[in-house]
Amino acid sequence: EIVLTQSPDFQSVTPKEKVTITCRASQSIGSSLHWYQQKPDQSPKLLIKYASQSISGVPSRFSGSGSGTDFTLTINSLEAEDAAAYYCHQSSSFPWTFGQGTKVEIK
Amino acid sequence: QLQLQESGPGLVKPSETLSLTCTVSGDSASTYYWSWIRQPAGKGLEWIGRFYIRGNTNYNPSLKSRVTMSIDTSKNQFSLKLTSVTAADTGVYYCARAAAGFWLDPWGRGTLVTVSS
Repeated sequence: EIVLTQSPDFQSVTPKEKVTITCRASQSIGSSLHWYQQKPDQSPKLLIKYASQSISGVPSRFSGSGSGTDFTLTINSLEAEDAAAYYCHQSSSFPWTFGQGTKVEIK
Repeated sequence: QLQLQESGPGLVKPSETLSLTCTVSGDSASTYYWSWIRQPAGKGLEWIGRFYIRGNTNYNPSLKSRVTMSIDTSKNQFSLKLTSVTAADTGVYYCARAAAGFWLDPWGRGTLVTVSS
C-alpha cells in the first residue's frame, strides 16, 4: 500500500498569504496524484487532477506541481473562503490512498 | 450536470449488514466507474472500493472480505454492502464518480452511518 504523508497537518494563515502544502508518497506514483478541498460539513471537492492539471470552475489561485514522490499544492493569495481541509489522493495503484489531510485556518 | 445522493439507514446494529445506495442523476450510472469512500468523525478519508458495471471491481484489502458493490441500471443507482459491522465502521459514507477511472469527481453529500446497539 502506498502511504501519502502531508505536511503540515495544520496551518494558520493570514488572508492574501501564500499557502504551500506538500504530499510525499512512499513510492513513485508518476503523476497519479489528485488534490481535494473539504470545507466544514461538506463533501470533498476536486481541486487538481494528475498533479498539476487545473479543474474547470476552480479558482486560478489553486495550483499543483510535482511528480514521482513529491507533490505540492499552492494557494496563491489565500481568501477567507479557502478555510478547509486539503487532501491528496493517489490512484497509481490499488488500494487507493489519501493523505491524512492538512487543515488551513484563517487568522 | 452529474449529481449523486447517498441514502440508507443511519443506524446499524453491530454484526449486521450496512447497505447504502447512491442515486445518480444527470447521466447513466452504467457509463462510469464509481467509488465509495468513508470518513470517521473528525478524521481523514478512507477509500472503500471502485466499481464498474463491465468488471474491474477493486476493493480495499482492509475491507475486501466484507464489501460488495453493485449496480441497478433500472434505477440508475449503485450500492454498497458491508457485512459484520462494528463501531469502527461508524462514519460518513460518500459515493463519488471515479472520472476516467482515476480521480474522484463529483462526490455526493455523504450519509452518516452509526453502528450501535
